[in-house]
Amino acid sequence: GAVVSQHPSRVICKSGTSVKIECRSLDFQATTMFWYRQFPKQSLMLMATSNEGSKATYEQGVEKDKFLINHASLTLSTLTVTSAHPEDSSFYICSARAQGENSNQPQHFGDGTRLSIL
Amino acid sequence: EDQVTQSPEALRLQEGESSSLNCSYTVSGLRGLFWYRQDPGKGPEFLFTLYSAGEEKEKERLKATLTKKESFLHITAPKPEDSATYLCAAPEGGSEKLVFGKGTKLTVNP
Repeated sequence: GAVVSQHPSRVICKSGTSVKIECRSLDFQATTMFWYRQFPKQSLMLMATSNEGSKATYEQGVEKDKFLINHASLTLSTLTVTSAHPEDSSFYICSARAQGENSNQPQHFGDGTRLSIL
Repeated sequence: EDQVTQSPEALRLQEGESSSLNCSYTVSGLRGLFWYRQDPGKGPEFLFTLYSAGEEKEKERLKATLTKKESFLHITAPKPEDSATYLCAAPEGGSEKLVFGKGTKLTVNP
């Protein structure tokens, strides 16, 4: 149980393009979803936390107009990288927490999206 | 500031050569210490949660232990398929945010 699906797994696009990444909880309802960014040989860095039906909470230094997050249902959150540039190239990973779970319990992670901006 | 520090950064073992990975933490009011395995190009896969000093959890060749300042992931008689990056993480004090260590990249040679 607790499967999180992330799509696409890899995307390559030109500078200036906007890219949407989907994160779905397949077998549970996710009240909270998290978006992370990971650079090579670095740790996961939290970008934002989204609760279903509410505006996302962004971490310090993360541009909310650059990284648009929507969590419109209990099974889907999306991250849109607007007007992407080469410095936005990274590995983006989502995770989810089920209804009834709290921060004392592990998050369930998707398989990540490798974004490459040319 | 809450921190999670893992060592070593990388570890190479021969198949069957047991060893331990370290995760030291400075988190106020620890509410759980999580171990994950991450394969290249994949998201983290949950392994264990430890909640209190003295607690131990086991799964196949892996055993995780917790003290008041650190956690260890012991790997007994590892196999090449155990090669991965192992991450530990803990909830930041007073928030939902998970603080991750940088991970230990384990390579097990046949």
